Amino acid sequence: AQSVTQLGSHVSVSEGALVLLRCNYSSSVPPYLFWYVQYPNQGLQLLLKYTSAATLVKGINGFEAEFKKSETSFHLTKPSAHMSDAAEYFCAVSEGRAEKLTFGTGTRLTIIP
Amino acid sequence: GAGVSQSPRYKVAKRGQDVALRCDPISGHVSLFWYQQALGQGPEFLTYFQNEAQLDKSGLPSDRFFAERPEGSVSTLKIQRTQQEDSAVYLCASSSRTGTGGTEAFFGQGTRLTVV
Repeated sequence: AQSVTQLGSHVSVSEGALVLLRCNYSSSVPPYLFWYVQYPNQGLQLLLKYTSAATLVKGINGFEAEFKKSETSFHLTKPSAHMSDAAEYFCAVSEGRAEKLTFGTGTRLTIIP
Repeated sequence: GAGVSQSPRYKVAKRGQDVALRCDPISGHVSLFWYQQALGQGPEFLTYFQNEAQLDKSGLPSDRFFAERPEGSVSTLKIQRTQQEDSAVYLCASSSRTGTGGTEAFFGQGTRLTVV
């Protein structure tokens, strides 16, 4: 069975500082990995996804993530935080042909002015 | 429409009442998913449709939960005899492909259900 662990339910960074949100996964087959962002009272929006092509994936709004099979990790980074990045971030995994997503519990990102 | 539309956005139900939540997916999207998001948690899978066929309902928490998509477009999630533990945001998502893996799912804004 697939699962996702997000370390740190709350992360605070200063505006302009590096953003690092951690995600580790468990999967019995090569996984597909996703990062979604959720703004208050909104649905989830895809930031980026890994589908077994390049291990370094670039997404929207300057975010990127690196798939590391040896560490079973898919951490999300952004070099310089912006106030508009404040939101809830979810890592998710799906397996094989099954399209259903298994989500982590989320990380709330706060940006300090 | 331009995106996935869910209605109502907010629903307050008295315990024991039946509710119906509607999802209009992006036009032409074959796959449709329902997720339940409890407060402070990540979304949890409820059920999956490919066109009108319900291929996976393994996440439905009890037989009080029922979903349908009779014509392969609009879907309804029905909860009978609501309980307080049913209070959550119910998210609908759709995607254009099926069976290939790694497809982006587009989410609606959700319906926030509060059972009092």
